[in-house]
Amino acid sequence: AQTVTQSQPEMSVQEAETVTLSCTYDTSESNYYLFWYKQPPSRQMILVIRQEAYKQQNATENRFSVNFQKAAKSFSLKISDSQLGDTAMYFCAFRRDSGTYKYIFGTGTRLKVLA
Amino acid sequence: GAGVSQSPRYKVTKRGQDVALRCDPISGHVSLYWYRQALGQGPEFLTYFNYEAQQDKSGLPNDRFSAERPEGSISTLTIQRTEQRDSAMYRCASSLGVAGSYEQYFGPGTRLTVT
Repeated sequence: AQTVTQSQPEMSVQEAETVTLSCTYDTSESNYYLFWYKQPPSRQMILVIRQEAYKQQNATENRFSVNFQKAAKSFSLKISDSQLGDTAMYFCAFRRDSGTYKYIFGTGTRLKVLA
Repeated sequence: GAGVSQSPRYKVTKRGQDVALRCDPISGHVSLYWYRQALGQGPEFLTYFNYEAQQDKSGLPNDRFSAERPEGSISTLTIQRTEQRDSAMYRCASSLGVAGSYEQYFGPGTRLTVT
């Protein structure tokens, strides 16, 4: 069975600084997808970034980038130039590329950006 | 276009009552997923459909929970004889295709409170 672990329940960062959120996962699959979702106080689920396991290049989306280490089963999210609007719960998620395409989420990291 | 919609957005019910939660996926989306999110946790998979066929219901916690999608569009998650432990956010997601490469789009959720 696949598992996703986020070991940082809460983090804070000063506005304009950089912060990295950690995520590790466990799977025996060779092909899969990894995601970071943002959940603001409205509790919407907003996709931040997605990584296909077969791609070696780390995904980037504007101020958001990942460090994907397949051998280490690590998938961290780096937020550059943090903004107050980045304050939210962040979930790391895993999805297989076969069978049931359900998401397996971690327990989340609550990020607070300080003015 | 319109996103995934869910109704009601909030539901308060007394213990022992039955509730029905509705999900209206994005038009044309063939796959539909149900998740449950307890406060402070990540969403957990309940069940999913491809078209009208329920493909996997391994995440349903017990036989009080059931789901249907009779015409391959709108889906209903029903909880019979609700208990306080059923209180959570119930979220659905839909995707355009059945393969793992397709993105899942989340609805706003139904917050269920059982008193």
